[in-house]
Amino acid sequence: EVQLVESGGGLVQPGGSLRLSCAASGFTFSSHWMHWVRQVPGKGLVWVSRIKSDGSSTTYADSVMGRFTVSRDNAENTLYLHMNSLRAEDTAVYYCARETTLPGSFCDYWGQGTLVTVSS
Amino acid sequence: EILMTQSPATLSVSPGEGATLSCRASQSIGDNLAWYQQRPGQALRLLIYAASTRATGIPARFGGSGSGTEFTLTISSLQSEDFAVYYCQQYNNWPLTFGGGTKVEI
Repeated sequence: EVQLVESGGGLVQPGGSLRLSCAASGFTFSSHWMHWVRQVPGKGLVWVSRIKSDGSSTTYADSVMGRFTVSRDNAENTLYLHMNSLRAEDTAVYYCARETTLPGSFCDYWGQGTLVTVSS
Repeated sequence: EILMTQSPATLSVSPGEGATLSCRASQSIGDNLAWYQQRPGQALRLLIYAASTRATGIPARFGGSGSGTEFTLTISSLQSEDFAVYYCQQYNNWPLTFGGGTKVEI
């Protein structure tokens, strides 16, 4: 069974940093591109970042470029999102998601999310 | 950035009835569209990809159609577990973008 479990969320002050983790199991992690998507509670979904299966290529939304860094450890089956210079508008639930191996960059499995709150 | 617009924002339906949800893209995306279901406290679930292909394990009462800029998700005979929020997502262009969601309520 495919499982994605996020952790690392919490309360952080504006300008602070946080590292989110996503533990993957039930599939060959190193074969899949992975994504981070966020959602302000009660609002819609916003794509944040994507990383290639071997970690050699990354893509970011303009709103987080230069502040967030996505990485992965394929030996540990774990995806990371390093978040720096956090702002109030980064407050959201952060989901990791597995990109399909079918044609197209859509995600076929999602985690349940971890809440990040940026506030003083 | 491609803007995805879903309508209606809320749809009130009785169990056993059907529901039709719409999604419009600000420019043509071919058939590069996915639909997801979000239930409270649960992970997002992929329902449809390539505009009309049901994902693995998705019941036949879920159907997708459309291409270009206009798309539809149809749910026939709603079951209790179908009352949720539904999102469309385009994957034709970067960044990936989602619609604002349609809440299907009893």
